Amino acid sequence: DVKVTQSSRYLVKRTGEKVFLECVQDMDHENMFWYRQDPGLGLRLIYFSYDVKMKEKGDIPEGYSVSREKKERFSLILESASTNQTSMYLCASSLRRTSGRDNEQFFGPGTRLTVL
Amino acid sequence: SQQGEEDPQALSIQEGENATMNCSYKTSINNLQWYRQNSGRGLVHLILIRSNEREKHSGRLRVTLDTSKKSSSLLITASRAADTASYFCATDSGNTPLVFGKGTRLSVIA
Repeated sequence: DVKVTQSSRYLVKRTGEKVFLECVQDMDHENMFWYRQDPGLGLRLIYFSYDVKMKEKGDIPEGYSVSREKKERFSLILESASTNQTSMYLCASSLRRTSGRDNEQFFGPGTRLTVL
Repeated sequence: SQQGEEDPQALSIQEGENATMNCSYKTSINNLQWYRQNSGRGLVHLILIRSNEREKHSGRLRVTLDTSKKSSSLLITASRAADTASYFCATDSGNTPLVFGKGTRLSVIA
């Protein structure tokens, strides 16, 4: 079974702090994704990566950056946390880039981040 | 960019009844996927239906796809309390990431 793990289930940070959210997958997937989920807004894509050292902006990249130094690890960085970044953050991975039976996404359990 | 829109936003049924959720989308797709999310957890992939398929079954799940109407439905038969969750459709339109809808919140009352 594919396993996607996230470094924390709950995290509380102060405004202005630098925050690192880590995601690791153990099935050699090429693609990795970061979403945030807010009530009434569904899942919104922040950044994604199709390969090591590669990153692409999603729909809401402002205030975030990412790092993918190894295939299995995709980190989301909040350079200077703000209260409007309080949210549930979900990491996901998928096997292939092209569409088809292998592009289903596997999600981690989520990190609920609160910025005070 | 929101592609899929689920309907209804919330649904409450009795255990044993069938639950039907709908998803409408705007552009042509390669496939459409349904996911489930239990409260406060990550999403779990349920089923994928390709654009050239009209119906697909998996256990108590039945998915239909009507590309002419750009819509899909997810039917859960003989629902159980454990089916209580949010359900999301996600569309694959080619060489871009999946686009998720906002979800339908299903409550199954024992």
